[in-house]
Amino acid sequence: AQSVAQPEDQVNVAEGNPLTVKCTYSVSGNPYLFWYVQYPNRGLQFLLKYITGDNLVKGSYGFEAEFNKSQTSFHLKKPSALVSDSALYFCGGEGSNDYKLSFGAGTTVTVRA
Amino acid sequence: GAGVSQSPRYKVAKRGQDVALRCDPISGHVSLFWYQQALGQGPEFLTYFQNEAQLDKSGLPSDRFFAERPEGSVSTLKIQRTQQEDSAVYLCASSIPQAGIYEQFFGPGTRLTVL
Repeated sequence: AQSVAQPEDQVNVAEGNPLTVKCTYSVSGNPYLFWYVQYPNRGLQFLLKYITGDNLVKGSYGFEAEFNKSQTSFHLKKPSALVSDSALYFCGGEGSNDYKLSFGAGTTVTVRA
Repeated sequence: GAGVSQSPRYKVAKRGQDVALRCDPISGHVSLFWYQQALGQGPEFLTYFQNEAQLDKSGLPSDRFFAERPEGSVSTLKIQRTQQEDSAVYLCASSIPQAGIYEQFFGPGTRLTVL
């Protein structure tokens, strides 16, 4: 069974500081990994995905994520966080022979001014 | 349309009532998914359509849940005899041209509250 874990319920950072949101995965075959962001009363917005190729993936709004096969991780990063980055972030994954996304429980990011 | 739309956005039902939740996917998207998101949790897969065919309904929690997409576009998730544990946000997502490596585009969700 595919599973994705986000070990931190909350991440708090000051504006301008680096932001990291952690994700680990357990999927069969080659994993397809995604990050989504959810604002209050909104659906999930796609940020970036890893399918194959470069381990460092760049996405929307200055976010990037690093795929690490040996650590089975796919951490989301932003070099300089903004207050507007405050939201709920979900990591999702699926196996290469699957189509169902499995999501982590989410990480609430708060960026203080 | 510009994105996935869902209606109603909010639904309050009395226990035992039937409800129907609608999803309008992005035009031309072949794949359509329904997810259930309980409070404080990530979305959980319910069911998957490719065009009008329901290829996977393994995530539906009981036989009170039923989904259809008769013409391969709009989909309806129906819940019969609602229970309090059905209270959640129901998310619809679509993707092109087939599921897999293409990201899913999510609608805003329908928040169902069962009293």
